[in-house]
Amino acid sequence: QKEVEQNSGPLSVPEGAIASLNCTYSDRVSQSFFWYRQYSGKSPELIMSIYSNGDKEDGRFTAQLNKASQYVSLLIRDSQPSDSATYLCAVKSPGGYQKVTFGTGTKLQVIP
Amino acid sequence: DADVTQTPRNRITKTGKRIMLECSQTKGHDRMYWYRQDPGLGLRLIYYSFDVKDINKGEISDGYSVSRQAQAKFSLSLESAIPNQTALYFCATSGQGSQETQYFGPGTRLLVL
Repeated sequence: QKEVEQNSGPLSVPEGAIASLNCTYSDRVSQSFFWYRQYSGKSPELIMSIYSNGDKEDGRFTAQLNKASQYVSLLIRDSQPSDSATYLCAVKSPGGYQKVTFGTGTKLQVIP
Repeated sequence: DADVTQTPRNRITKTGKRIMLECSQTKGHDRMYWYRQDPGLGLRLIYYSFDVKDINKGEISDGYSVSRQAQAKFSLSLESAIPNQTALYFCATSGQGSQETQYFGPGTRLLVL
């Protein structure tokens, strides 16, 4: 089982719709969770971080965390063509190194 | 100016050559990382450093070495490049604390022929 799993996609949604991206992780003691956006050929950039169970909203983005189910998701409301990118889920585990493990990413396509 | 810079941005080299990828940061972070990204495999950690005197291997360090010349500089070397080291390489930095996120440089695209 991969430590951080994401559906590779592509996930296609029409412009204006809600895009839902999902991520599961295997380490129950993970503490910090991140969503990065990566445009093709570019570097990952942080969109959201979440540390507690529940929802966290930032503009059109909402991160949802359920530690009991080891599940974190990202919702993008009013999706725009500029949101078309690969979204990476990252999970940080506690300990001396505080290892960060990245998922392989979900490719999102927003259709105009 | 970018907070995390990488040079070169693109590099083509031949099998057996030694090459160095450089990373500099102006964020004042202590922690620096080198990753490689391959299609379908995601980001994989090569080496990381928590300060100038602290260097640690990541999950795929074979064939690579690093040097932390200063707090702001972290270099990755391929001692004898091979074709399966063709990849996109990213440097990243983070501050201290359990919730600090990583900030990535623009990447170096390396092709080993």
